Amino acid sequence: ETGVTQSPTHLIKTRGQQVTLRCSSQSGHNTVSWYQQALGQGPQFIFQYYREEENGRGNFPPRFSGLQFPNYSSELNVNALELDDSALYLCASSLDRINSPLHFGNGTRLTVT
Amino acid sequence: GESVGLHLPTLSVQEGDNSIINCAYSNSASDYFIWYKQESGKGPQFIIDIRSNMDKRQGQRVTVLLNKTVKHLSLQIAATQPGDSAVYFCAENRYGGSQGNLIFGKGTKLSVKP
Repeated sequence: ETGVTQSPTHLIKTRGQQVTLRCSSQSGHNTVSWYQQALGQGPQFIFQYYREEENGRGNFPPRFSGLQFPNYSSELNVNALELDDSALYLCASSLDRINSPLHFGNGTRLTVT
Repeated sequence: GESVGLHLPTLSVQEGDNSIINCAYSNSASDYFIWYKQESGKGPQFIIDIRSNMDKRQGQRVTVLLNKTVKHLSLQIAATQPGDSAVYFCAENRYGGSQGNLIFGKGTKLSVKP
């Protein structure tokens, strides 16, 4: 069974640029959630995708957007990068929207300079 | 690797001892709680979960206790091993529905001395 995989593992961008992060969900999982984890903090919910539609969003501005594809993989896009966007971005998949725990990938470390 | 343990509460235990990690949650409406373990350079790893209709649940070497009266959650690790060294997060779900929107605590760093 393949777990959640994310790419790239590390990325350096300049303020104002745009970035796309990718996630392949665990086999059989149809729901993907994205989290942002600042250094020394717990992960913060960005949004969740279910059946290719956004299904819940945390307190993040619209420049954070996402997609889910028919194979349940997902992308996180961040426009107009700011220095505070520097963080570990975690993708998690679950068997369904409810009653099943999240399984996380190892994240993408984004540094904005 | 990624360091997630900066400025976190730290619990230091001797190998073989039992560990207890505590967590206070804020919303009495939360009905689902999960413990995650995060090692340096890795994403959170699911340990155990518990629903609000239970006050105790046991797994392999781990036990989660839930006290809804005082909104307190604890994770007990029996016979702690060096491989248990990591940051531990409790997480709560506030909507009783979608499990995607978990609210994570600040984390506790567990250090196991050989």
